[in-house]
Amino acid sequence: DAGVIQSPRHEVTEMGQEVTLRCKPISGHNSLFWYRQTMMRGLELLIYFNNNVPIDDSGMPEDRFSAKMPNASFSTLKIQPSEPRDSAVYFCASSLVSSSLQQYFGPGTRLLVL
Amino acid sequence: RKEVEQDPGPFNVPEGATVAFNCTYSNSASQSFFWYRQDCRKEPKLLMSVYSSGNEDGRFTAQLNRASQYISLLIRDSKLSDSATYLCVVSAGGGADGLTFGKGTHLIIQP
Repeated sequence: DAGVIQSPRHEVTEMGQEVTLRCKPISGHNSLFWYRQTMMRGLELLIYFNNNVPIDDSGMPEDRFSAKMPNASFSTLKIQPSEPRDSAVYFCASSLVSSSLQQYFGPGTRLLVL
Repeated sequence: RKEVEQDPGPFNVPEGATVAFNCTYSNSASQSFFWYRQDCRKEPKLLMSVYSSGNEDGRFTAQLNRASQYISLLIRDSKLSDSATYLCVVSAGGGADGLTFGKGTHLIIQP
C-alpha cells in the first residue's frame, strides 16, 4: 500500500529563493498535517487541513509560509522567501478521519537553506 | 514549562537488558497518550497507545500515571533493532489536531 508521499526528499536552496514542498496523503484520509522538525524545537505542527480546508495555521511561523490543499490528494507548503533558519525536516502526515489520533507520516523533506 | 518533556538521552543499554524511560506532560486535561518511534533519518511511526490501565505489546509495556502526569515505556529483552528515538505524544482533545510531541529519547542498544 502506498503511504504518504512527499517530494522532493531533499532540497538545497539559497536564502531568498522560493521553496515548494509537496505531499500526497494516503488515499481516503481526510486530514492532512504539515510538521517541521529541528533538533532545537523537536516536531512542531505547522498547519492542518480537514477535507481540504485549513483548520488551524497557528503554528505557521510567519507570512513567509503558506500551505494549500487544492484537492484531497495533494497539498503544498511554500516558503517565500526562504531563510537559513527554515532549514529543517518537513513532514507531512495524514489520518483517516479528523478524530483519528493515529497519524501516518511521510518520509519527510530535508530542507537546507544556505 | 514545556508541554511534553523527555530525557533526550542517549540511553546506552546492552542487548538483552530492560530499559525504561518516562515522559511528563503539563496539561492535566490531556486525554490521549502515545509512544511513537523514529529511526534515524526516518519518519515517526506509532509504536503504541497508552491506556489508563496500562498496556503491553510483546516486549513493550506502556503505563500512564495521571496523578503525577507522566507516562512510561518499558522495553524488555532489548534488541539491537530497538535502537531509535522514542517520542512521547500527548493529546488534549479527541481530535488529531491536538497532538503534542516531545523531543524524544534516544536509545542505543549495544551488542
